[in-house]
Amino acid sequence: DQQVKQNSPSLSVQEGRISILNCDYTNSMFDYFLWYKKYPAEGPTFLISISSIKDKNEDGRFTVFLNKSAKHLSLHIVPSQPGDSAVYFCAASANGGSQGNLIFGKGTKLSVKP
Amino acid sequence: SAVISQKPSRDICQRGTSLTIQCQVDSQVTMMFWYRQQPGQSLTLIATANQGSEATYESGFVIDKFPISRPNLTFSTLTVSNMSPEDSSIYLCSADGLAGNEQYFGPGTRLTVT
Repeated sequence: DQQVKQNSPSLSVQEGRISILNCDYTNSMFDYFLWYKKYPAEGPTFLISISSIKDKNEDGRFTVFLNKSAKHLSLHIVPSQPGDSAVYFCAASANGGSQGNLIFGKGTKLSVKP
Repeated sequence: SAVISQKPSRDICQRGTSLTIQCQVDSQVTMMFWYRQQPGQSLTLIATANQGSEATYESGFVIDKFPISRPNLTFSTLTVSNMSPEDSSIYLCSADGLAGNEQYFGPGTRLTVT
């Protein structure tokens, strides 16, 4: 049973517009959430994270929102750029992101069209 | 952030053989992790490797199949033993981040077993 779900395998957005990537989780013990970006033939690159004590974290063009009651988080990219085209993975942890098991979703492939 | 390299980047191996994957970090790290990404699936943690102690394996993974070494604070190896086609995957190592709340990943090793 998947504990972290990314229900959209792909997303296409026009350059300059907002990209919204969604992630749902089932385990209420998760207390830390991360987004990773992955280009082909490369490993996942850490993008942004959020602790369960917050509902929003912002870093430049990237903002992550956490809705604990809905067990839902989303990554907003504004404005989207062609270089943002990659697979985005949502990950969750029950004991801090570096201390152990990260549970990953299957990823969403984002295509930003010029 | 840590810079992580892996060798080999890819390999094609015959059934019944073993392959050892090396992971090198450019700085000393406490925890290193090994993940597997099977085709179309999310990343799954195989084991956690701490220097000076036995690796801790996740459910479904055993030391006889995936022996791990961690001889120092910058290096680890994962061996995939007695390979079968079902072992065809991308194998990734990661390390805990300096900030303490995220993991940084190597580029992965793409393994194909024929």
